[in-house]
Amino acid sequence: KQEVTQIPAALSVPEGENLVLNCSFTDSAIYNLQWFRQDPGKGLTSLLLIQSSQREQTSGRLNASLDKSSGRSTLYIAASQPGDSATYLCAVNGGATNKLIFGTGTLLAVQP
Amino acid sequence: GAVVSQHPSRVICKSGTSVKIECRSLDFQATTMFWYRQFPKQSLMLMATSNEGSKATYEQGVEKDKFLINHASLTLSTLTVTSAHPEDSSFYICSARDLTSGGSSPLHFGNGTRLTVT
Repeated sequence: KQEVTQIPAALSVPEGENLVLNCSFTDSAIYNLQWFRQDPGKGLTSLLLIQSSQREQTSGRLNASLDKSSGRSTLYIAASQPGDSATYLCAVNGGATNKLIFGTGTLLAVQP
Repeated sequence: GAVVSQHPSRVICKSGTSVKIECRSLDFQATTMFWYRQFPKQSLMLMATSNEGSKATYEQGVEKDKFLINHASLTLSTLTVTSAHPEDSSFYICSARDLTSGGSSPLHFGNGTRLTVT
């Protein structure tokens, strides 16, 4: 059974810092991995999608990497801003049924 | 971009009543939609996979008679919480993938429904 874990559970940084969020998964047989952002009481916003054949994806100040063999992904946020404050979730797609298994999330607070 | 609309965004009901939540894909078709549940400060847990024109597939531990799912068209899935109890209070979120994009495209999520059962 696939299990997805995110470290740290919470993170507080001053504005302007670069930061890394970690995601690990137990079954490396994944189809793709997706990073989401969730604001309090809201739905999910897709940030980046990495296919199993890819090593990384970039969008603006965000860069996501994937090391499928070791069961790890990282989300790098450059020059953090207070508006980046949210919960970040990673989710893996096992492929057969297209179901997403979510990680536990990282609550990020960027202090102005 | 692809938009998933979920309604209502917030509902309060009395214990024993039923509540219906709608999930619509506004600008694309989806043969499959997914329903998730999220407890406070926890991650999303998949409840069931909604299949257009056929029965939903429920995850282990999810009562299919309590959480009725109907996927009558390629753009609409509904989740009905029957005989709701306070422990059903939670945040319910649906998601869908564009039928034409296949499994390589991102899932799109609704904004969720906050259900409170008193």
